[in-house]
Amino acid sequence: EPEVTQTPSHQVTQMGQEVILRCVPISNHLYFYWYRQILGQKVEFLVSFYNNEISEKSEIFDDQFSVERPDGSNFTLKIRSTKLEDSAMYFCATSSSEFLKETQYFGPGTRLLVL
Amino acid sequence: GIQVEQSPPDLILQEGANSTLRCNFSDSVNNLQWFHQNPWGQLINLFYIPSGTKQNGRLSATTVATERYSLLYISSSQTTDSGVYFCAEITTSGTYKYIFGTGTRLKVLA
Repeated sequence: EPEVTQTPSHQVTQMGQEVILRCVPISNHLYFYWYRQILGQKVEFLVSFYNNEISEKSEIFDDQFSVERPDGSNFTLKIRSTKLEDSAMYFCATSSSEFLKETQYFGPGTRLLVL
Repeated sequence: GIQVEQSPPDLILQEGANSTLRCNFSDSVNNLQWFHQNPWGQLINLFYIPSGTKQNGRLSATTVATERYSLLYISSSQTTDSGVYFCAEITTSGTYKYIFGTGTRLKVLA
């Protein structure tokens, strides 16, 4: 069964450093999302992306965050200058359609720790 | 915006016991999903259930859209059922995205 993959599975970085989280969507999926889960809390929406542009972003998704699909396959989330509070699990999700009945498929997540 | 609340927040069971997890919504249900987050942090799709009842093995789910709640039933629980169970609703405000509930943390003891 096709699945969403994410790399790396874990990343430790120093505060102020840039990190790039990568996602490989299911091949025929066109809608891409990033969600974040701070340890012990619920999963929160960060950003949605379609047709090479951001469709919507949450309040969390400030100027330090950016997303792109650099090569037509990978979908990346970049944090330019990490802060301690960016420590979280980051999930990529993809779907083939934006229609209500279409499930979003989640990747296994990247656990980011900022020291 | 939509508020999604789950109860109970924590649940401890002996292996073999049954349980019911509840998810309440502040707005009408469009697309309701249940997820299991395993101890490694992975989110596993359990059910897409905007209304009615579905069953998959020892798990079943019921959504009563008119009353804005959904229930997840776990029968004959096993230690591998441990983890956090989230329900999530797709909001149609802006682009379609999940609004997750607060989660129920389940621990099944051997």
